[in-house]
Amino acid sequence: SQQGEEDPQALSIQEGENATMNCSYKTSINNLQWYRQNSGRGLVHLILIRSNEREKHSGRLRVTLDTSKKSSSLLITASRAADTASYFCATASQAGTALIFGKGTTLSVSS
Amino acid sequence: DVKVTQSSRYLVKRTGEKVFLECVQDMDHENMFWYRQDPGLGLRLIYFSYDVKMKEKGDIPEGYSVSREKKERFSLILESASTNQTSMYLCASTRAVATNEKLFFGSGTQLSVL
Repeated sequence: SQQGEEDPQALSIQEGENATMNCSYKTSINNLQWYRQNSGRGLVHLILIRSNEREKHSGRLRVTLDTSKKSSSLLITASRAADTASYFCATASQAGTALIFGKGTTLSVSS
Repeated sequence: DVKVTQSSRYLVKRTGEKVFLECVQDMDHENMFWYRQDPGLGLRLIYFSYDVKMKEKGDIPEGYSVSREKKERFSLILESASTNQTSMYLCASTRAVATNEKLFFGSGTQLSVL
């Protein structure tokens, strides 16, 4: 499996601070996606970055991709208590037929 | 918006029972997936299907089978449930993986096998 690995496993911050999560993967990719999961619920797609992109923004989210290092980072700026969730990166399988997810980063934002 | 519906939110079954988990999507997606999620292990792919009656094994297919008789419905079957199959099961669908489409997930089924 080419499962990605998120780092750190858990992150606790105060409201208003920025949160940075990292993802490393093993093989070449066409794109990398980030998903969010509230406790006990399904995952929701946040953002997709293509292999020829280096940075992408969506609201308070900023994603970077470094294909030479096989890594990506997700930055959440000015965090809120409602951002408390688990965040996963995902890449397509080598056959390109399924998405493979990492183990996730659990973010806790306290007010 | 796309809706992926899993038939049960919580399910309690006994060891040895045959268990059916149902998933229905309403957006005519070709691709459907079953993942299981366990603490510390993240999401692991069990099976997926890219067309009616077609199925492919994921990373952990042992002890599971699937059925896709209609495009909108993808069922996960535990032939003889065991306690190590206690987990959160997540269904997802997408129009295509190869063209970078995002996945839409159901709310999950928390299965407990006693």
